Amino acid sequence: EVELLESGGGLAQPGGSLRLSCAASGFPFDSSSMTWVRQAPGKGLEWVSSLTFNGGSTHYADSVKGRFTISRDNSKTTLYLQMNRLRADDTALYYCVKGGIYSSGLDYWGQGTLVTVSS
Amino acid sequence: QSVLTQPPSVSAAPGQRVTISCSGSSSNIGNNYVSWYQHLPGTAPKLLIYDNDKRPSGIPDRFSGSKSGTSATLGITGLQTGDEGDYYCGTWQSTLSAGVFGGGTKLTVL
Repeated sequence: EVELLESGGGLAQPGGSLRLSCAASGFPFDSSSMTWVRQAPGKGLEWVSSLTFNGGSTHYADSVKGRFTISRDNSKTTLYLQMNRLRADDTALYYCVKGGIYSSGLDYWGQGTLVTVSS
Repeated sequence: QSVLTQPPSVSAAPGQRVTISCSGSSSNIGNNYVSWYQHLPGTAPKLLIYDNDKRPSGIPDRFSGSKSGTSATLGITGLQTGDEGDYYCGTWQSTLSAGVFGGGTKLTVL
C-alpha cells in the first residue's frame, strides 16, 4: 500500500524558513517523480514543485522560485521541500504527491501538512 | 487566476450526468496530457483521469475524460451524493516548465 507521510509544517514568521519532509513507502520511490502541491485556506489546488526520479531535473512555480528547494533522498525514500523567505501567502496545506502532472498524473497524495506564516 | 478555466460550479440531480470543462491554450492543454482530480471534503485529492482519458485502477467507469484541441472535459454519469466536492483539471504549462491546475469546479448533487 502506498503511503506518503508529510511532516515539518507549523508556524513560521514572515521571512523565516521551514523544511517539509515526506516519508514514502509501498512503491519504488527511486523510480518515481514526486511533486508538492498546496492549498491555501479557501482556495484551489496550486502546483508548487516537482522533481524527477533521481532529482536530476527540478521545476518550480513562479510564486516559489528562488525561495523553495525541492530535493529527495532515495536511500531514505524521503522527499523534502526547503522553504525560505516565507511569506504570508505561503500559508497553506502542503501535499506530498507521487507522480508528475506532465504524464500519468499525480496518482497518490499524502494527507498534507499545514504551514502557517504569521507574525 | 489560473491559465486553465473551469466553471466555478455545476449541479445535477442524483442519477444524472454532468460535464466539467477545462479550457486552456496551446501552451498547456493543447500540447500536454490532462489529468483530473476529485477533492472531497476532509480528504486528500484523488486522481480520476490521467493522460486525457485513462482511468486508474479502482476508478469506476462513471468517470470519463476527453480532450479536443485546447480544451478538456470530465464527464460523470450516474451521479451520487457522495460525488459532491471539488474537481480540478491539471496539466503542464510548457512556457513556464511548471504544472498548473484549473481553478476548480464545485459539484453539487441536488
